[in-house]
Amino acid sequence: DQQVKQNSPSLSVQEGRISILNCDYTNSMFDYFLWYKKYPAEGPTFLISISSIKDKNEDGRFTVFLNKSAKHLSLHIVPSQPGDSAVYFCAAGQAGTALIFGKGTTLSVSS
Amino acid sequence: DAGVIQSPRHEVTEMGQEVTLRCKPISGHNSLFWYRQTMMRGLELLIYFNNNVPIDDSGMPEDRFSAKMPNASFSTLKIQPSEPRDSAVYFCASSPQGGLSYEQYFGPGTRLTVT
Repeated sequence: DQQVKQNSPSLSVQEGRISILNCDYTNSMFDYFLWYKKYPAEGPTFLISISSIKDKNEDGRFTVFLNKSAKHLSLHIVPSQPGDSAVYFCAAGQAGTALIFGKGTTLSVSS
Repeated sequence: DAGVIQSPRHEVTEMGQEVTLRCKPISGHNSLFWYRQTMMRGLELLIYFNNNVPIDDSGMPEDRFSAKMPNASFSTLKIQPSEPRDSAVYFCASSPQGGLSYEQYFGPGTRLTVT
């Protein structure tokens, strides 16, 4: 059973608008959450993370929100740019275990 | 630093052949991870090493898969014999922290096609 789920395989957004990517998890023991971005023919690259003791972390245009009661996190990109078009992976981890990744969401930002 | 280096970038082989994928982690990183990416299953962890020692290989699909890390700067993932269902992109990643680091640095991947 998947412990980290990204239920939307794809998302299309216009340039300048907000992109919201969602991720759900089942394991309440996860204490750290990350987002990775992947371009074609490249490996995933770290984007932003959040600890379970926080509910928001912001880095420039990227903000991650964590709702522990709902076991849900989201990545907001504002404003979206064509260069943001990529596959976004949500990942979760806890002390003593490896990261578990979702299947990814493909974001397409049109100009 | 050059980042995580993987070779080959592409591999096409026939069913039954042995395949060896190679990885050079970032210098100074002491954790190394092998992942497989498929459309159906997304990004799956196959095995990870800490200080060259395999810690968890529960993600290795079957005995046809094996991984080694003879030293801190090199690791291999071997499939013998290969099957068409092994076709996927295989990523290696390394981490600078001990144990199970949360932030990992990925290589560009090896696209394996087994015909």
